Amino acid sequence: RKEVEQDPGPFNVPEGATVAFNCTYSNSASQSFFWYRQDCRKEPKLLMSVYSSGNEDGRFTAQLNRASQYISLLIRDSKLSDSATYLCVVNGGSSNTGKLIFGQGTTLQVKP
Amino acid sequence: DAGVTQSPTHLIKTRGQHVTLRCSPISGHKSVSWYQQVLGQGPQFIFQYYEKEERGRGNFPDRFSARQFPNYSSELNVNALLLGDSALYLCASSLAYENYGYTFGSGTRLTVV
Repeated sequence: RKEVEQDPGPFNVPEGATVAFNCTYSNSASQSFFWYRQDCRKEPKLLMSVYSSGNEDGRFTAQLNRASQYISLLIRDSKLSDSATYLCVVNGGSSNTGKLIFGQGTTLQVKP
Repeated sequence: DAGVTQSPTHLIKTRGQHVTLRCSPISGHKSVSWYQQVLGQGPQFIFQYYEKEERGRGNFPDRFSARQFPNYSSELNVNALLLGDSALYLCASSLAYENYGYTFGSGTRLTVV
């Protein structure tokens, strides 16, 4: 079983649509959770951290369910510029807090 | 301010050769980590160095090694290259050992032929 699992997609949506990505992780000791965005042939960039209480940044909302070991990202009012791969990321737990564990990534293509 | 810089940006090597990749962290950052990203997959953790000491190692063979210098820059070395080592190698830096805000460099794209 992969440590972080995501549906690779691709998700093809029209501009203005709402799209949700989900992710599950296997290490219950993981303490930090993130969504990164990666454009084609570029480096990953931090989109947002994910907190147990849920957090929002403009059109983006992230949620964490520790009991189910489940993380989600909701994008509202999709823009063409949102087209990218979204990576679900957790840290390696209390024994390896500096290690990031990435999911495979979910590809989003927003169409005009 | 300069971000995380990596060199070279692209590299082509032959099977069996050795390669050295370099990374300069953001000024003031003491932690450097290396990741390998194969096409279609998420990055995989290789090493983390903090204050010039290895603080974490991923599931990679001993052909992979790294070190961190007194100025916190880092090198990743790969010996006896295999075709499967072809990937994007990413360096990430952060202020501290714990991951609160890693910044990635643009990577070195290694092709082994």
